[in-house]
Amino acid sequence: EAGVAQSPRYKIIEKRQSVAFWCNPISGHATLYWYQQILGQGPKLLIQFQNNGVVDDSQLPKDRFSAERLKGVDSTLKIQPAKLEDSAVYLCASSLLLGGGYEQYFGPGTRLTVT
Amino acid sequence: GENVEQHPSTLSVQEGDSAVIKCTYSDSASNYFPWYKQELGKRPQLIIDIRSNVGEKKDQRIAVTLNKTAKHFSLHITETQPEDSAVYFCAASINDSWGKLQFGAGTQVVVTP
Repeated sequence: EAGVAQSPRYKIIEKRQSVAFWCNPISGHATLYWYQQILGQGPKLLIQFQNNGVVDDSQLPKDRFSAERLKGVDSTLKIQPAKLEDSAVYLCASSLLLGGGYEQYFGPGTRLTVT
Repeated sequence: GENVEQHPSTLSVQEGDSAVIKCTYSDSASNYFPWYKQELGKRPQLIIDIRSNVGEKKDQRIAVTLNKTAKHFSLHITETQPEDSAVYFCAASINDSWGKLQFGAGTQVVVTP
């Protein structure tokens, strides 16, 4: 089966600019996650969707980050305006069902550099 | 919330030797513990996981042990090979947290021939 797809793979922007990332999960996976992975750290969950509804966005900096999953399939994550500390790899993951114990499959990530 | 600590941050082993990575978690309600391997520039991939009703699980050269009382779990890699070189992440999840994973900081494993 096809894996989780993400684009772009790399993005360089200046601070205060905006950027958007796209994710296409594995077909049939109801749950979608966006993680931020800063260099040298483990992934940190930003937001979790079940179909097109938000399950957890407690760690999403809502003053600058937004995400949506229209129609419960593809998702976009937006940063506006970007800060230097947003430089990281943004990973999208999906799992078949909601809840602990279901494997999360990760996409290749988008490496964002904010200058 | 859940907090996961992982040690060591780097681990260098000779090919053929064993490698052990240890993680501790803070929330006793955590009941799912996956381990992910991330090669340089690639996506994290699940290599093994364990649930709280099991004390040990093995898959060929890798094994995971769980001590619920002490709230720690470990990854064991035996007969290490150069292709085992990667960053390994442990994680913990609470069943009623909708599958939210709290990751450790990662261990860079380097296997030298």
